[in-house]
Amino acid sequence: DAGVTQSPTHLIKTRGQQVTLRCSPKSGHDTVSWYQQALGQGPQFIFQYYEEEERQRGNFPDRFSGHQFPNYSSELNVNALLLGDSALYLCASLTAWGYGYTFGSGTRLTVV
Amino acid sequence: GENVEQHPSTLSVQEGDSAVIKCTYSDSASNYFPWYKQELGKGPQLIIDIRSNVGEKKDQRIAVTLNKTAKHFSLHITETQPEDSAVYFCAASTGTYKYIFGTGTRLKVLA
Repeated sequence: DAGVTQSPTHLIKTRGQQVTLRCSPKSGHDTVSWYQQALGQGPQFIFQYYEEEERQRGNFPDRFSGHQFPNYSSELNVNALLLGDSALYLCASLTAWGYGYTFGSGTRLTVV
Repeated sequence: GENVEQHPSTLSVQEGDSAVIKCTYSDSASNYFPWYKQELGKGPQLIIDIRSNVGEKKDQRIAVTLNKTAKHFSLHITETQPEDSAVYFCAASTGTYKYIFGTGTRLKVLA
């Protein structure tokens, strides 16, 4: 049973560019959340998607946007990249009213 | 605002000894407290969780305790093994939406 899969695993972008990260949730899961993990820190909640709608959002600017597709997969888009956006971006999934996210291995984004 | 404090930031124990990691949360509405283990190059893995209507939960060598009055919860690992070496994160949640994570504890089990 495949868990949460994310692509790409690593990415290098230039300041000001835009990036799209992709996530496929664990089989049976319909809710996807995105977290940002800076080096040496705990993950920080960006937003959650359920039924193709953003259900809740953390304290992140509008440069961060997302999308959920009918097959429950999701994308995270970041516009106008800043050096401070360099981090590990984690996708996590669960069932709509379940507990205990399953996390993917993340996408390491480096902004230069 | 919402906050979870986690201590210690690093912990070294001898193989076979016990390890304890403590967290304190600020939002009294928090009702779900998961613990995650993160190994190098991997995403966090859920190892145990507890809900607010339970004071203690155990799973083999791992246990979690919750004190709602003091807003404290702790992870206890007994008979530590080298493969327990990793970064451990506590988190608190008021539902199924966002988790507020602690800053992590790097556990080293010395053989």
